[in-house]
Amino acid sequence: EDQVTQSPEALRLQEGESSSLNCSYTVSGLRGLFWYRQDPGKGPEFLFTLYSAGEEKEKERLKATLTKKESFLHITAPKPEDSATYLCAVQAATSGSRLTFGEGTQLTVNP
Amino acid sequence: NAGVTQTPKFQVLKTGQSMTLQCAQDMNHNSMYWYRQDPGMGLRLIYYSASEGTTDKGEVPNGYNVSRLNKREFSLRLESAAPSQTSVYFCASSEMGRIGANVLTFGAGSRLTVL
Repeated sequence: EDQVTQSPEALRLQEGESSSLNCSYTVSGLRGLFWYRQDPGKGPEFLFTLYSAGEEKEKERLKATLTKKESFLHITAPKPEDSATYLCAVQAATSGSRLTFGEGTQLTVNP
Repeated sequence: NAGVTQTPKFQVLKTGQSMTLQCAQDMNHNSMYWYRQDPGMGLRLIYYSASEGTTDKGEVPNGYNVSRLNKREFSLRLESAAPSQTSVYFCASSEMGRIGANVLTFGAGSRLTVL
């Protein structure tokens, strides 16, 4: 059974204070690992897809990395507008188009 | 470009009532999905439709039915609502990316309360 565990559940940062969110996963053959951002009252918004260990993707202040067991979402010099819940999901090679989501990390960046 | 549109945004039902959540996408995606999101549970797949004319059960299908009306529209029906179905429901559609990786586009959600 595919499993995704995100930590911490919640994270409070000061503006400019860099940190990382963790996504640990267990999957039978990884087809893709996905990061989404979700603002309150809205649907998740796609950020990145990572396909294999060692891969990295960047977008503005966000950088996602992938190993064989976990992924990190690094946030450099965050701003208040980065406050959101960040969701991690995996797609197994054996699960067709189905994704398994983690519970998310709620990030708050204070000015 | 509207993306994925869900209706209604909010609904309150009494136990035993029925209702249908509507979803439409304008991105010409083949696959569509219904998820529910509950505190501490993450997003859980209810039903999905890999292509027009097909539907399959997800992780939590009990108490729900779906209809893939055409390529654009995918509806979710609660025949006899129960308090355990109080949740936020998200519709999503997808196109397969590199090596079959499935990038989902979500709607804004429908918040359902069953009393």
